[in-house]
Amino acid sequence: VQLVESGGSVVQTGRSLRLSCAASGFTFSIYGMHWVRQAPGKGLEWVAFISDDGTREFYSDSVKGRFTVSRDNSEDTMYLDMNDLSPEDTAVYYCSLSEPLYFDYWGQGTLLAVSS
Amino acid sequence: DIQMTQSPSSLSAFVGDTVTITCRASQVIGSDLGWYQQKPGKAPKRLIYVASNLQRGVPSRFTGSGSGEEFTLTITSLQPEDFATYYCLQHYNYPRTFGQGTKVEVK
Repeated sequence: VQLVESGGSVVQTGRSLRLSCAASGFTFSIYGMHWVRQAPGKGLEWVAFISDDGTREFYSDSVKGRFTVSRDNSEDTMYLDMNDLSPEDTAVYYCSLSEPLYFDYWGQGTLLAVSS
Repeated sequence: DIQMTQSPSSLSAFVGDTVTITCRASQVIGSDLGWYQQKPGKAPKRLIYVASNLQRGVPSRFTGSGSGEEFTLTITSLQPEDFATYYCLQHYNYPRTFGQGTKVEVK
């Protein structure tokens, strides 16, 4: 299993950005996927989940209405579209494949820095 | 949303010590809890799933217990590689929530 995040950058407050998570080594289309973030020097914060077929999405209160998770099962890729970014969104963003009863895999993370 | 209160936020211990970390949920979550270890600059790694089950490949000195609202991670005979930050995560419902983390440092 390999999860590779990309798209992290330095952006200004109020701008938008898309993160990607490229998956390989497993059947991507049959598993839900998560985004988790970690601000510098802070703890882990769960951000979003998308079901295997993309029909169900859940978000943390802190990003609801600004972030949208999506996936392309033909490309084995998950996305996180982030709008109206603020400095509080500065973090390393991880994608994760986590089945409570079985396995748990994480990518290496991609860094988003939002400047004011 | 379910709040996960983790304690202590940090602790100091010697190699060979036994340490205990606690997570309390703001409501009953059954056994829907995992424990993670994170080292600086690395992604988290799950140690325990469904409250008390050892993830494959994780040393048996890590033990999870509890159900309902209160959960414990115990590390017996602390090893040098165990100095890290530990988090609990509830997967009872969405939004999923992590505890605030416990940093285990060398005394």
